[in-house]
Amino acid sequence: EDQVTQSPEALRLQEGESSSLNCSYTVSGLRGLFWYRQDPGKGPEFLFTLYSAGEEKEKERLKATLTKKESFLHITAPKPEDSATYLCAVQADSGNTPLVFGKGTRLSVIA
Amino acid sequence: ETGVTQTPRHLVMGMTNKKSLKCEQHLGHNAMYWYKQSAKKPLELMFVYSLEERVENNSVPSRFSPECPNSSHLFLHLHTLQPEDSALYLCASSQDRIDKTKVNTGELFFGEGSRLTVL
Repeated sequence: EDQVTQSPEALRLQEGESSSLNCSYTVSGLRGLFWYRQDPGKGPEFLFTLYSAGEEKEKERLKATLTKKESFLHITAPKPEDSATYLCAVQADSGNTPLVFGKGTRLSVIA
Repeated sequence: ETGVTQTPRHLVMGMTNKKSLKCEQHLGHNAMYWYKQSAKKPLELMFVYSLEERVENNSVPSRFSPECPNSSHLFLHLHTLQPEDSALYLCASSQDRIDKTKVNTGELFFGEGSRLTVL
């Protein structure tokens, strides 16, 4: 069964304190790994797609990387507006569920 | 503004009520989805509609009934719900249906959700 595990469950950072969020996955065959951001009371917002190990994507203070077993979302010098829940999802080449989501990491950045 | 609009944003209903959630997308997408989001749980896919077919998650109870009259509108009809059905219900759309047969951008456009409380 395809699985996605995100850690930590919650993370509290001081403004400017860089860190990383982890997404570990177990799938029979990976077609893609996706990162979303969700603000309270809103639906998730798409951030990145990664297709193969070694690939990296960047957007402002966020950088996503991918290995054969996990992905990291690196946050450099975060600001309070980066506070949100970050969701990871994978698309497998088998099974009935198009995207398998993790439970998310709730990030709080304190000024 | 994501281009996906959900109504109502909040809904409180009794277990014997019948209500419906509505979703409309203005993006010209070909696929629409219903997801359930509960605290401490991953997003759970409920239903998928595309131009070609409806794909249903077999674990969804029959008290949830989807309807897709056209490619822009999606409904979730609710009947005889249980308190454990209380959750945030999210509608999403994508250009093409995301499935196992092909590589996809994975880009879903979500609405802001309908917060459902079942008393």
